Amino acid sequence: EPEVTQTPSHQVTQMGQEVILRCVPISNHLYFYWYRQILGQKVEFLVSFYNNEISEKSEIFDDQFSVERPDGSNFTLKIRSTKLEDSAMYFCASSDEGANYGYTFGSGTRLTVV
Amino acid sequence: LAKTTQPISMDSYEGQEVNITCSHNNIATNDYITWYQQFPSQGPRFIIQGYKTKVTNEVASLFIPADRKSSTLSLPRVSLSDTAVYYCLVGAPGAGSYQLTFGKGTKLSVIP
Repeated sequence: EPEVTQTPSHQVTQMGQEVILRCVPISNHLYFYWYRQILGQKVEFLVSFYNNEISEKSEIFDDQFSVERPDGSNFTLKIRSTKLEDSAMYFCASSDEGANYGYTFGSGTRLTVV
Repeated sequence: LAKTTQPISMDSYEGQEVNITCSHNNIATNDYITWYQQFPSQGPRFIIQGYKTKVTNEVASLFIPADRKSSTLSLPRVSLSDTAVYYCLVGAPGAGSYQLTFGKGTKLSVIP
C-alpha cells in the first residue's frame, strides 16, 4: 500500500530557531497538505498545495510558515522562528484529484520547541 | 461545512460489533461522509466513505439512511487493536480545495 513518508519522526528545537519538516507524498497524488495536532487536541488544517502553489490556508498558517515542493517528490513545511506553542504533531497528507475524499496521512513529525 | 456530532467515547468488549453513529443534520447534496481512524501518535487513516445507503469494505461498513442526516460506522468483531479515535467527516471536494475539518471524534476503547 502506498505511503506518505515524513522525516524526522521527532525534532527538538530551541525557541526562535527555524525548522523544516519533510514529507514524500504518494507519487501520483496531486494535492498536498499539512495538518497539526497539539497534544490532546483536534487535528487542525494548516495548508493545502496544488499545482505548485498554496490553494488554501488556515489562520494558523501565518507568515512564520511556508511550504515548498522543491523537486518532484518532496513537500516541506518550514517554520521560520519557532515558538513554544508550535509544539505539536505535524502531519503531511496527500490525495488524488478524484471524487474520493480519502486522504493518506503520514505518521507525523513530533515537534518539540524548548 | 456540515457540523457533525458523535459520542465522545465508547467501550466495547473484544469480539463484539461496534456501531458508532454520527449526526450531520445540515449535510449538503454534494457532501460525502467519510470516516477516519487515528491511533495515538499516528496520522489519521482513511477507513470508509459513502454517499448513500450502505458501503462495505474489508474493515468496516457504513450505513446511511435515505435522509442522510446521520450515518453509522459498523466495526465487526472488534479486537484490542481497534482501540482508537474515530472521526466522522462530512464534505465535498471543491475545486482545488480538499480541506478536512476534524472534530473531537469518538474514542473507542476495546476491553479484553
